[in-house]
Amino acid sequence: LAKTTQPISMDSYEGQEVNITCSHNNIATNDYITWYQQFPSQGPRFIIQGYKTKVTNEVASLFIPADRKSSTLSLPRVSLSDTAVYYCLVGEGGYSTLTFGKGTMLLVSP
Amino acid sequence: EPEVTQTPSHQVTQMGQEVILRCVPISNHLYFYWYRQILGQKVEFLVSFYNNEISEKSEIFDDQFSVERPDGSNFTLKIRSTKLEDSAMYFCASRGLDGLAVTDTQYFGPGTRLTVL
Repeated sequence: LAKTTQPISMDSYEGQEVNITCSHNNIATNDYITWYQQFPSQGPRFIIQGYKTKVTNEVASLFIPADRKSSTLSLPRVSLSDTAVYYCLVGEGGYSTLTFGKGTMLLVSP
Repeated sequence: EPEVTQTPSHQVTQMGQEVILRCVPISNHLYFYWYRQILGQKVEFLVSFYNNEISEKSEIFDDQFSVERPDGSNFTLKIRSTKLEDSAMYFCASRGLDGLAVTDTQYFGPGTRLTVL
C-alpha cells in the first residue's frame, strides 16, 4: 500500500484558491488517487479521483504529474463551508478497503 | 440524492453491554463496509461485506464484532460486549451501481457516536 504524505493543516481566506499537495512516491501502476473530505462528526465524502494528468468536476480539480509521485487537489474560491479535513488516498479506489491517513485540516477564514 | 443513513446518531452504553448499530445503505448498492474513528484519530476499516458474507476484515474486527444483513435494506454491526476502547464514531459505507457499472466510490453515512461508560 502506497504511503501518502500531506500537510497536517492549511489556512486560507474566503474566495481564495487552495491547493493541497499529497506525496505518494511508492504509488503502484494500478493505483488510483482519491480525495475525500470530512466535516466534524460526519462521514467522509468522496470529492474526486484520478489516475493521471488532470481531472475536474463541479467541486474540485486534481492535478497529477507524469511520474504520479504526487498529486494536487485544487479547490477554487473556497468558502467558510469548505473548512474540513481532506484525505488523499492511494490504492484501488473504493474497490478495496479505504486506508485513511491523518489528512489535511483546512481552515477557511472570513 | 440517495444517501446512506445510520441509527442511532448517538448511543450510550455500559461496559459489557451489547450494542447494535444500524445502517441503511443506498438501495441498489451491493458492497457494504463498516469503519470507525476514535476521537481525534484516523478513520479505520473494520469489515467489508458482499453477497451475504464477510469479504475482508481488519485486526480490530475480533470475535466481539459481527455484521448482518437481516433483510433487503438493513446492514448491522453488533458489538457483543462493549469495552471502553470501543467508544468511537462508527461509519457505514456502501458501494454499488452507478447506471449499469459498479462504481468504486464508497458513500459514507453520517455515523453513530458510540460512548461506552
